[in-house]
Amino acid sequence: GESVGLHLPTLSVQEGDNSIINCAYSNSASDYFIWYKQESGKGPQFIIDIRSNMDKRQGQRVTVLLNKTVKHLSLQIAATQPGDSAVYFCAENPSSGAGSYQLTFGKGTKLSVIP
Amino acid sequence: EAGVAQSPRYKIIEKRQSVAFWCNPISGHATLYWYQQILGQGPKLLIQFQNNGVVDDSQLPKDRFSAERLKGVDSTLKIQPAKLEDSAVYLCASSHGGAGGYTFGSGTRLTVV
Repeated sequence: GESVGLHLPTLSVQEGDNSIINCAYSNSASDYFIWYKQESGKGPQFIIDIRSNMDKRQGQRVTVLLNKTVKHLSLQIAATQPGDSAVYFCAENPSSGAGSYQLTFGKGTKLSVIP
Repeated sequence: EAGVAQSPRYKIIEKRQSVAFWCNPISGHATLYWYQQILGQGPKLLIQFQNNGVVDDSQLPKDRFSAERLKGVDSTLKIQPAKLEDSAVYLCASSHGGAGGYTFGSGTRLTVV
């Protein structure tokens, strides 16, 4: 089985570079996806979302790409800043229908920004 | 707008003791969730409320965990008796029910010794 525990995937980037965080989701029926940022001692914070009828969505300094063919989601952060250092989770909504948003979270990726 | 409030922030108990966590969601949010986040993992859903009714508690270990939201606003999550493997951060989130994602509280970090 898959190993779980303390060993989060880690991405280290130089300040000012672009970051790309990847996520593989499990349910082909999922219709809604969200990226969250979690800083130490805090709850997850919404970054950006995307519906399954889109393949790209842009926010301020962030872009989410969705590839439904291979069930892959990515988060691109432009001009990464020290304040972007955190653990990033992708989440999928495996249920369809209004009001049934029960998110399933991935394992997370720890982003470390080198000043 | 005020965020999701949770208390206490930290709790240390011995195994077999009981513990309760409290959550006050964002005003007007009908949907409330409790998640368990074990260190190094993503949050895992325990229970979902819609107003004061349970929508889904299929992942709640009901032999030891219970939750209620009697008046459709505040919620409490209880563990009795606690086990070592219950050590985790317990996150409360609320949602207006739309597609904008949840708002999470800062969580309660539980350590069972």
